Amino acid sequence: KAGVTQTPRYLIKTRGQQVTLSCSPISGHRSVSWYQQTPGQGLQFLFEYFSETQRNKGNFPGRFSGRQFSNSRSEMNVSTLELGDSALYLCASSLAGGNRETQYFGPGTRLLVL
Amino acid sequence: AQSVAQPEDQVNVAEGNPLTVKCTYSVSGNPYLFWYVQYPNRGLQFLLKYITGDNLVKGSYGFEAEFNKSQTSFHLKKPSALVSDSALYFCAVRPSADRGSTLGRLYFGRGTQLTVWP
Repeated sequence: KAGVTQTPRYLIKTRGQQVTLSCSPISGHRSVSWYQQTPGQGLQFLFEYFSETQRNKGNFPGRFSGRQFSNSRSEMNVSTLELGDSALYLCASSLAGGNRETQYFGPGTRLLVL
Repeated sequence: AQSVAQPEDQVNVAEGNPLTVKCTYSVSGNPYLFWYVQYPNRGLQFLLKYITGDNLVKGSYGFEAEFNKSQTSFHLKKPSALVSDSALYFCAVRPSADRGSTLGRLYFGRGTQLTVWP
């Protein structure tokens, strides 16, 4: 089975712009979670989607949003970019998001905000 | 509240020696515990997990971890380290009961950088 894929792998944006990141889960996985990884804050949970519904959300401002499509692919959007949004954004998929399930991660999208 | 502590930011070990990467946790109820590894410019790669049963869990690449409920620990171990094991290791926890606030969410430690010297 193909793993989790994320596009693009690298992005450079300027402050105030907006960005959309894409994640394709492992075939058959319906839960997609997003995390932000920075050296200062570590791995922080953004949100989780299942069957096109956001079921869980971390402590991030409303500038961070996401959605999931009927084929389980997910996108996250960050509007009005700030320098502090520079990070590695990781997507993970699992069958249904249950607590005993393993989450499988993609390679990430590295976002640099100038 | 769920949390994970990895008390060592860095662990250095010589190739061929045993390695241990420490993890302690705090969780509501019983825990599900996970270890992931991250190589430079890569995503997280799953190593192993503890759900229930035998306290010693075996995973990928010769790694194993021991669940100790009384000490709330889940240390990662390998009997003989390789230079290629050098990477960033993350411990993560989830409570055993599914709730809206925990769905699809792993609670991660800050990570431990493992360096194996030849």
